[in-house]
Amino acid sequence: ETGVTQSPTHLIKTRGQQVTLRCSSQSGHNTVSWYQQALGQGPQFIFQYYREEENGRGNFPPRFSGLQFPNYSSELNVNALELDDSALYLCASSYQRSDTQYFGPGTRLTVL
Amino acid sequence: GEDVEQSLFLSVREGDSSVINCTYTDSSSTYLYWYKQEPGAGLQLLTYIFSNMDMKQDQRLTVLLNKKDKHLSLRIADTQTGDSAIYFCAETGANNLFFGTGTRLTVIP
Repeated sequence: ETGVTQSPTHLIKTRGQQVTLRCSSQSGHNTVSWYQQALGQGPQFIFQYYREEENGRGNFPPRFSGLQFPNYSSELNVNALELDDSALYLCASSYQRSDTQYFGPGTRLTVL
Repeated sequence: GEDVEQSLFLSVREGDSSVINCTYTDSSSTYLYWYKQEPGAGLQLLTYIFSNMDMKQDQRLTVLLNKKDKHLSLRIADTQTGDSAIYFCAETGANNLFFGTGTRLTVIP
């Protein structure tokens, strides 16, 4: 059984640019959640996708957007990058919306 | 709103037991989780407890839940150097997890 995978592992962007992060859910899971983990902090919930629809959102501005595809993989898009967007972005998948979440290795984003 | 609090640091000697504590605010949480994060890595699910349970044991791990005080603890028996990591407690929201800031466990050989 393949676990949650994320790409890329690291990337560096400059302020104002746009970025797309990708996540493949664990086999059999139809729900993907995205979290932002700033340095020294716990993960903060960005949003969740269930069967290609957004199913809840945390306190993040609209420039954070997402997609889920028919195979349940997902993308996180961030527009107009700011320095404070530098963080580890974690994707988690679950069998259903409220089930136990299994995390991927994360994407480290640095905004200069 | 939900708030999860943990102490920031814990040091123990190899072979001793470690106890990591957590307090939470949402009494309606269905499950409470413990995750482990090693440097530069994602979160690894360690264990979880259903909110109607008081205790759960899984090999070296023991979770205790005091619902009255909204207090959760994780005990690691016979702590090893490989247990050095950051440990996060998390409570469930409607469709997401609320995490504490994590407890950095350092195991001294």
